[in-house]
Amino acid sequence: QLQLQESGPGLVKPSETLSLTCTVSSGSIRSGSYYWGWIRQPPGKGLEWIASFYYSGSTYYNPSLKSRVIISVDTSKNQFSLKLSSVTATDTAVYYCASGEYIGMSAWFDPWGQGTLVTVSS
Amino acid sequence: QSVLTQPPSASGTPGQRVTISCSGSSSNIGNNYVYWYQQLPGTAPKLLIYKNNQRPSGVPDRFSGSKSGTSASLAISGLRSEDEADYYCAAWDDRLSGHAVFGGGTQLTVL
Repeated sequence: QLQLQESGPGLVKPSETLSLTCTVSSGSIRSGSYYWGWIRQPPGKGLEWIASFYYSGSTYYNPSLKSRVIISVDTSKNQFSLKLSSVTATDTAVYYCASGEYIGMSAWFDPWGQGTLVTVSS
Repeated sequence: QSVLTQPPSASGTPGQRVTISCSGSSSNIGNNYVYWYQQLPGTAPKLLIYKNNQRPSGVPDRFSGSKSGTSASLAISGLRSEDEADYYCAAWDDRLSGHAVFGGGTQLTVL
C-alpha cells in the first residue's frame, strides 16, 4: 500500500518561495501504474488542485497557478517536490500530496498524505 | 468559484437517504470520470467513489455514485452519525491542456 508524507517549512514570508517535498514509500515514483499530485486547502475552505504528473509523461498545472509552480522529482530518494513562488497570504493552506492510479490523467487521488499546514506571514 | 457546483450543505436524520449533487460541463463531467471524496474533520480527504460509481475496498455499500450527462450525484443510504463530514466531487477537465477540478464541497450534517 502506497504511503505519502509531506515535509517542509510551516512558515514562509510573503514574496518568497514555498518549498515542500513528498516522500513516497511502499512504491516507486517511476512506476507506470501511478501518477502524482499536489492539492491544497485554505483554512475553512475547499480543495484546490495544484498540479499532477506522470513520471514518464507530462506535468499538468492548475491554470491559475501555473506561472508560479515548479514540480520536480528525485528518483534516488523516491520523492517529488513542489515550489510555489511569490507567495502571498492567500497561499496559506494545508498542502497535500497524493497519488492516483494511472488510467490517463484524472482526478483519482488515493492515497493522500496527511497534509502539512503552510502559513504565509512576515 | 469552483468549476464543479455542489450545494454548500446537506442534512438528514439517522437512517435516512441523502443525495449530494455535482454539476459540471461537457469538458469535465460530461467527458470524464467523476470521483467523490469524504473529509472528516481534521483529516485528509479519502476516496469514496471512483470512475463514477465504483467503491474502493472498505467503503460501505451505503455509499453510491451516479453520473448522467454533465451532472453526478453521491447517495448515502442508512445515514449514520459518522457520515457527518465534507464531501467533494472531482473530475478531469479537458480545457487548457487538461487539469483536475474539484467541487466547492458539501458539508453534511446528521441531525
